[in-house]
Amino acid sequence: QKEVEQNSGPLSVPEGAIASLNCTYSDRGSQSFFWYRQYSGKSPELIMFIYSNGDKEDGRFTAQLNKASQYVSLLIRDSQPSDSATYLCAVNQGTGGFKTIFGAGTRLFVKA
Amino acid sequence: DAGVTQSPTHLIKTRGQHVTLRCSPISGHKSVSWYQQVLGQGPQFIFQYYEKEERGRGNFPDRFSARQFPNYSSELNVNALLLGDSALYLCASSLEGLAAVLYNEQFFGPGTRLTVL
Repeated sequence: QKEVEQNSGPLSVPEGAIASLNCTYSDRGSQSFFWYRQYSGKSPELIMFIYSNGDKEDGRFTAQLNKASQYVSLLIRDSQPSDSATYLCAVNQGTGGFKTIFGAGTRLFVKA
Repeated sequence: DAGVTQSPTHLIKTRGQHVTLRCSPISGHKSVSWYQQVLGQGPQFIFQYYEKEERGRGNFPDRFSARQFPNYSSELNVNALLLGDSALYLCASSLEGLAAVLYNEQFFGPGTRLTVL
């Protein structure tokens, strides 16, 4: 079992729709959770972070965390073609020394 | 303010050689982490340094080493390069102390593209 799992996609949604990206993690001791966006050939760019169970909204983005289910998601409302990128889920673990584990990413295509 | 900077941008080496990659964090950031990203995969954690001390290490061989300097810049060294070391090497910085590291977002530099022939 991978430590952080994401559907590789591609996920294709029409412009204006809601894109839903999901991530599961294996370490129950994980303490903070991040979503990064990575355009082809570029470095990851932080979109959202969440530490507590529930929802966190920032503009068109909503992160959702359920620690009991070891599940974190990212919703993108009113998707735009410029949102087309790979979305990386990252989990910070503090047990046995600090490390950040990334999922392999989900490719999102927003069709105009 | 300048973001995270990395040098060089691109690098070509041959098997068995040694390479040094450099990173300067955002001004005021004291923590630097290094990642390796191969095509089609997410970044893999190599090291995390805070206040010049190693605070975390990923599952990489001893050929990989790093250090952090008093000005918080950092170097990643890779010895005895293998073809499989070809990747994008990313540096990320974050702001605060150890306890807060877990709760601080990281900001990535543009990366160094390493090709091993």
